[in-house]
This record gives sequence, C-alpha cells and structure tokens, in this order.
Amino acid sequence: KAGVTQTPRYLIKTRGQQVTLSCSPISGHRSVSWYQQTPGQGLQFLFEYFSETQRNKGNFPGRFSGRQFSNSRSEMNVSTLELGDSALYLCASSKGTRQDTQYFGPGTRLTVL
Amino acid sequence: QKEVEQNSGPLSVPEGAIASLNCTYSDRGSQSFFWYRQYSGKSPELIMFIYSNGDKEDGRFTAQLNKASQYVSLLIRDSQPSDSATYLCAVTATTDSWGKLQFGAGTQVVVTP
Repeated sequence: KAGVTQTPRYLIKTRGQQVTLSCSPISGHRSVSWYQQTPGQGLQFLFEYFSETQRNKGNFPGRFSGRQFSNSRSEMNVSTLELGDSALYLCASSKGTRQDTQYFGPGTRLTVL
Repeated sequence: QKEVEQNSGPLSVPEGAIASLNCTYSDRGSQSFFWYRQYSGKSPELIMFIYSNGDKEDGRFTAQLNKASQYVSLLIRDSQPSDSATYLCAVTATTDSWGKLQFGAGTQVVVTP
C-alpha cells in the first residue's frame, strides 16, 4: 500500500509570496491533517480535513488555509509569506474515525527568504 | 503550562540497556496516546499507540498509560544504535478532535555502543 505523498519536497520563496503544498493520503483514508514543525515551536497542528470539510483548526492566522478534494487529496496554502513561516510542513492521513492512527508523509521543507 | 510535556533530553542509553521515556498531559479528557519516532531530517514514524490504562507491548517497545496520573511512558528494551532518534509523545485531546494531535517537544535518545 502506498504511503502518504507530499509535493513538492522543497520550496524556496521570498517574503510576500504565496505557496501551495499538496498531500495525497493513503488509499482509503478520508482524513488529512496538516502540521508545522519548527525548531522553536515543535510540531503544531494547523488543520484537519475530513470528507472535504474542515473538521478541526489550530491557532494559526488566516494566511494559512487548506482544502480537500473529493479524492481526499488535500492542499494547504500560505499567503503573504513571512520569514517565520520557514518550517517543515507535514501532512498526516488517517481513516478519520475514533481512536485512529495518523501516518505522516515525508514533509515539505519551506524556506522563506 | 504546555498541554503535553516531555523531557527534552538528550537521554543517553548504553547499547543493550532499557530506555525509559516519559510524557505527561494536561487534558484529563484525552482519549488516545501515541509515540512517534523521528530521525533527523525525516518525518515522524508511528511506533506505538495506546488507548486504555495499563501496558501494551510490541516487540522491544512497551507503552504504559495511567490516565489517573495523566502519564504515558515508553520503554525501549535492548536499545540499539538505530534507536537513536527523537521520540515524540502525541495525544488526541477530546472526542471530537480525533484528527488533531497535540505533540510534546520530543525526547532525544542517544544509544551509545
């Protein structure tokens, strides 16, 4: 069974630009969660999508947004990039049911210059 | 107070010894508990999950959960150099937040030959 895939793996952007990251979950998984990982803040939850609806949201500004398509693939978008947005962005897929486990993709390393 | 707390380490363990990692959480309503392993530059990899009080064993790994004390631990028996990584404790907080994992800062484990 193929794992979670994320594209692109690396991105370099400049301040003020916007970026779109993509995540394809494990086949049959309907939930995609997004996380930001930085050395200072660790792993922080951004949002979760289940059956094309945002089900949970973390404490990030509105510049961070996402969506999920009917095939469960998800994208997240960051607008007006700031230097502090440099991070490893991870998505995780699960069936989305109670007491389920999340499996992480390889991540997208975003560098904002 | 952070919602999920771990000792940051590094935890130095001789090869063949037992590594003991601890995690406490603040939300008494927490439902599910996970341990992830993360190698430097890689994404988190699920190694254990536990939902009920008591012990759960899987190979060289044992997870222990005590909901009354809001405490979850991970034991790694017969530690190997390949176990050198950061171990992340993660918790799902409430019944309607299954897709949201709250992570501790991670404990770095170094297994010395």
